[in-house]
Amino acid sequence: QVQLVESGGGVVQPGGSLRLSCAASKFTFNSYSMHWVRQAPGKGLEWVAVLSYDGRDEYYADSVKGRFTIFRDNSKNTLYLQMSSLRVEDTAVYYCARERSDYVTRNWFDPWGQGTLVIVPS
Amino acid sequence: DIQMTQSPSSVSASVGDRVTITCRASQDISSWLAWYQQKPGKAPKLLIYAASNLQSGVSSRFSGSGSGTDFTLTISSLQPDDFATYYCQQAGRYPLTFAGGTKVEIK
Repeated sequence: QVQLVESGGGVVQPGGSLRLSCAASKFTFNSYSMHWVRQAPGKGLEWVAVLSYDGRDEYYADSVKGRFTIFRDNSKNTLYLQMSSLRVEDTAVYYCARERSDYVTRNWFDPWGQGTLVIVPS
Repeated sequence: DIQMTQSPSSVSASVGDRVTITCRASQDISSWLAWYQQKPGKAPKLLIYAASNLQSGVSSRFSGSGSGTDFTLTISSLQPDDFATYYCQQAGRYPLTFAGGTKVEIK
């Protein structure tokens, strides 16, 4: 069964940096595009970033562009989100999600990890 | 950016009821639409992709329809396990966007 396990969340002061990880297992990681999606406490879902299976294409939400970087290490079956210049409004549970099908990027998220909480206090 | 709007924001229904949730895109997204279910404290789950395709393993009680700017998620006969929040998401253009969600509650 496909597994995605996020880690790296925690409390970080405004302006600080944090790196999230998403460890993937039970599927061929380098064949799938991967996404980060976040959810502020009590709020809806917000897409953050996508990295294509071949690493050639990446896109970001306007709210994080220039501050966050998505990257992957296929040798470790791990997706990352490097977050810098963090703001109070970045406080959220961050989920990694796999693309539904391999070798394409159609932006259907399935499955999702359990999420990791990032808190940027005011 | 493409704005996604769902209605209603919440609905109270009974087991066995037919429930319909509407999603509207601010511009034509063809069939680039997905529906997700999220239960409290859990990650979302993909129900429908490409507007009307049922994800493997998802109950046939769920169905999706629509294209262009107007879409619908229908639960044909609400079951206790279906009480959750539902989100639509456009997948056609970056940045990808979700609607605000519809909470399905027990009447």
